[in-house]
Formats: sequence, structure tokens, C-alpha cells
Amino acid sequence: SQQGEEDPQALSIQEGENATMNCSYKTSINNLQWYRQNSGRGLVHLILIRSNEREKHSGRLRVTLDTSKKSSSLLITASRAADTASYFCATDANDYKLSFGAGTTVTVRA
Amino acid sequence: GAVVSQHPSRVICKSGTSVKIECRSLDFQATTMFWYRQFPKQSLMLMATSNEGSKATYEQGVEKDKFLINHASLTLSTLTVASAHPEDSSFYICSAVPGYDTQYFGPGTRLTVL
Repeated sequence: SQQGEEDPQALSIQEGENATMNCSYKTSINNLQWYRQNSGRGLVHLILIRSNEREKHSGRLRVTLDTSKKSSSLLITASRAADTASYFCATDANDYKLSFGAGTTVTVRA
Repeated sequence: GAVVSQHPSRVICKSGTSVKIECRSLDFQATTMFWYRQFPKQSLMLMATSNEGSKATYEQGVEKDKFLINHASLTLSTLTVASAHPEDSSFYICSAVPGYDTQYFGPGTRLTVL
């Protein structure tokens, strides 16, 4: 069943600005992952953060995890037009099955 | 990086037709593969877990007789939509687990049932 809730549902920003999206979940997790999906395409894995980690960086991406609040955030810095996509968080409770959030659609305006 | 392929990428068929979708891990072995379904502008919903050499396990509400899964080898899982109807039209995505945290997703198959 779908566990994660994401906000905002949609985000429109200017190129060069930062984009922040949040994800909340309901049950205990082993790890939380963020994925990007371009329209009508498959998923691209962005970053995985384990339940004992609080923050992780990968290039222009920064992910935080607060297990006490059961929430995570994804920050994309210095956004580019190519970052236009839908972003999903997904939680893994330790069996590789992923429960996906509803997703945030990000539009980066040139 | 690890690559997962799906075939076909899109299929259009008449109502009542059975459709087979293949998911292959190209450069690693996967004892476990997953099948997800995504309706337009919605998130991915897990349908079933495909285990090599054993029966698939289905999520609640997913008809096993409708969505037949066969994990024939460590690199191939197939999903057959039996007697497809327009409400089965969706984007079907598989993923494969190489044995550690990250799983790799296929590019998806868009099924349109007329």
C-alpha cells in the first residue's frame, strides 16, 4: 500500500533556484529512497538514506531524514531545466518492497 | 551501472487479448524482481513480488489469475495480463534487486487496451 505522502504536489521554479520537497511516511523503515521520473519514462534512482542516517549529499542533491517525525526532504540546488520531472520518495521496510509517495511534479522555467 | 530492460515498451491490443511483458536484468542476476503499476499522474503501486524458482506473491487486491508472473531465470521475469480489458490500461514497471539496498527499474511498458 502507498505509505508516503509528499508535498507540495507541484512546484514551479526559475532556473538557478533551489527546489525543496518533503515526504512523510507512517511506519518504521529500513531506508528511504528518492527517485526521478521524466514524463512517461522509467524511474531513475537518485539517493538512498538509511534509517540511521540523518543527511546525505549527492552532487546537487541533499536529502535529510528525521525518523522521529517520519519525514524526509529532498533539496535540489541550482536547478536546471533538465531537472523538470516528477520526484517520488519510496520507503523500504527491510524487504526491498517499496512504498511510493504520491510524487512532486517539478517544473524548472528557463 | 546495472541495467534492466523491458519489452515491449508499448503495446496496444484489443479487449480480451492476453499480453506478455518481459523484464530482464542485463548485467546482474536478480533472485527477486518486482512489478509495479502506474496510472496516469499517479504514483507507483506494487503489484507483486517475483521470486526465481517459486511462485510470485501478490499484493492485496491484485488478481493472481489476471496478472500471471513467471520468474523463469535469474535474469528474466514475465508478467502476462490475461484477457486484458480497458481498465488494465496502465504503465507497468518492473524492478530487479541485485542483492543489496538499491533496486533498478526498467523503462516501463505502456499498455493500452482498446
